[in-house]
Amino acid sequence: DSGVTQTPKHLITATGQRVTLRCSPRSGDLSVYWYQQSLDQGLQFLIQYYNGEERAKGNILERFSAQQFPDLHSELNLSSLELGDSALYFCASSVHRDNSPLHFGNGTRLTVT
Amino acid sequence: AQKITQTQPGMFVQEKEAVTLDCTYDTSDPSYGLFWYKQPSSGEMIFLIYQGSYDQQNATEGRYSLNFQKARKSANLVISASQLGDSAMYFCAMREKNNAGNMLTFGGGTRLMVKP
Repeated sequence: DSGVTQTPKHLITATGQRVTLRCSPRSGDLSVYWYQQSLDQGLQFLIQYYNGEERAKGNILERFSAQQFPDLHSELNLSSLELGDSALYFCASSVHRDNSPLHFGNGTRLTVT
Repeated sequence: AQKITQTQPGMFVQEKEAVTLDCTYDTSDPSYGLFWYKQPSSGEMIFLIYQGSYDQQNATEGRYSLNFQKARKSANLVISASQLGDSAMYFCAMREKNNAGNMLTFGGGTRLMVKP
C-alpha cells in the first residue's frame, strides 16, 4: 500500500461530460502529481502541485484542470470528454527531495463511451 | 527526442534465471536521478530502485540491481533469480534537477514474462 488514495477506481461516462478525480497524498507529502497512462502514449505527466501551488505543467489539455486544496488533497477535472480521454489516471505524491520516488495511487480507470 | 528509451517492448525469462532490462536516457543536466517501477497486471505502480547521477556505486535492492553506466547514459535493471511474480511491465524514469518541478519522465516500458 503506497499510502496514496485515489477515488473512484473506475469511471464510465459519455462524451461531452465532465468528471472529477480525487487524490489524497501520503501523510507528509507536499507534492502531488497527475499522470495519464493510455495504451499508445505510455505514462504522460500532466501537472504537479506543491503545497497548494502549481509547480509544473506537462502535456495537460486545456479541457483539463487541477487544484490542490489546503488539506493537500488534489482533484483533477476533465471536461468535454472525448473518446481519446479514456485512460488510467494516476495520482502520485512525494516529499520534495531529489532522491525521493513518486508514490503512486492505484489509479482511476476512465472509460468514455 | 526521447528522454528515456526502453528498446525491449517484451522479454521472456526462465524462472530462477537473471534478466536485464535496458534503459538509456538523454539529458544535459549533470544532476539527475533514475528510477525503476514495476506495474503488474493489477495496474499499480511499484517503486523498485533509485540511482543518483553522482552515486559512486550501483544501486541494489534485494533481487534488483542497477547497472549504471554514466558515460553510456544507460541504467539497466537486473533482476536476479526471476520469480513468476516478476511478470509485469517495467518502467524506467528520470528526474532532472533543472526541471521546474521534480516530476519523473517515463520510458515506454518493457513487458517481462517469466516462464515456469
